[in-house]
Amino acid sequence: GAGVSQSPSNKVTEKGKDVELRCDPISGHTALYWYRQSLGQGLEFLIYFQGNSAPDKSGLPSDRFSAERTGGSVSTLTIQRTQQEDSAVYLCASSERTSVDTQYFGPGTRLTVL
Amino acid sequence: AQSVTQLGSHVSVSEGALVLLRCNYSSSVPPYLFWYVQYPNQGLQLLLKYTSAATLVKGINGFEAEFKKSETSFHLTKPSAHMSDAAEYFCAVSDRGSGYSTLTFGKGTMLLVSP
Repeated sequence: GAGVSQSPSNKVTEKGKDVELRCDPISGHTALYWYRQSLGQGLEFLIYFQGNSAPDKSGLPSDRFSAERTGGSVSTLTIQRTQQEDSAVYLCASSERTSVDTQYFGPGTRLTVL
Repeated sequence: AQSVTQLGSHVSVSEGALVLLRCNYSSSVPPYLFWYVQYPNQGLQLLLKYTSAATLVKGINGFEAEFKKSETSFHLTKPSAHMSDAAEYFCAVSDRGSGYSTLTFGKGTMLLVSP
């Protein structure tokens, strides 16, 4: 498969628990993006990676959110002490270099915080 | 700062009718503009993009959009709607202010197509 993959596809957790969401970008894509999609808020940018570094973290909503990327490939988005307002679909995308290049999106992880 | 406004959260058309989805942007510098489509329970797929070449951009599935700087608009059109076009459509902008590093999306327009 040549597309962006995300796991898990669905995650149900209890308030206060930590969760990790994984993104496997298209091989060779140096840019990786995380977005959050929720009712009423639309698509919100969270963080952007170029290689392993994150030059733009401006969209992370709080310090409970963090992300890392290793080996210029797989990325993990971690949400600590989850809250009900964190419930959303988390989308990952990758592109060859920058957002001017086409961003290819994964199917998303639907997070439900009870 | 870049921003996008999509007029109409829902647009309904009959099969065979013209599709027009509106997008207006705000950007302090020449932007790059995109339209993405999202089918139910799927990720987003690029329909077309404007990157300062021809102002009329043709995309997949018969869609096209025209960049109008004077109107700060990038409306999406299709001459004849198909049932398979029913989906949510997102307009997005990226500009030099962000280093062309990120996309700012509109809130989306759900296209409903009736037989």
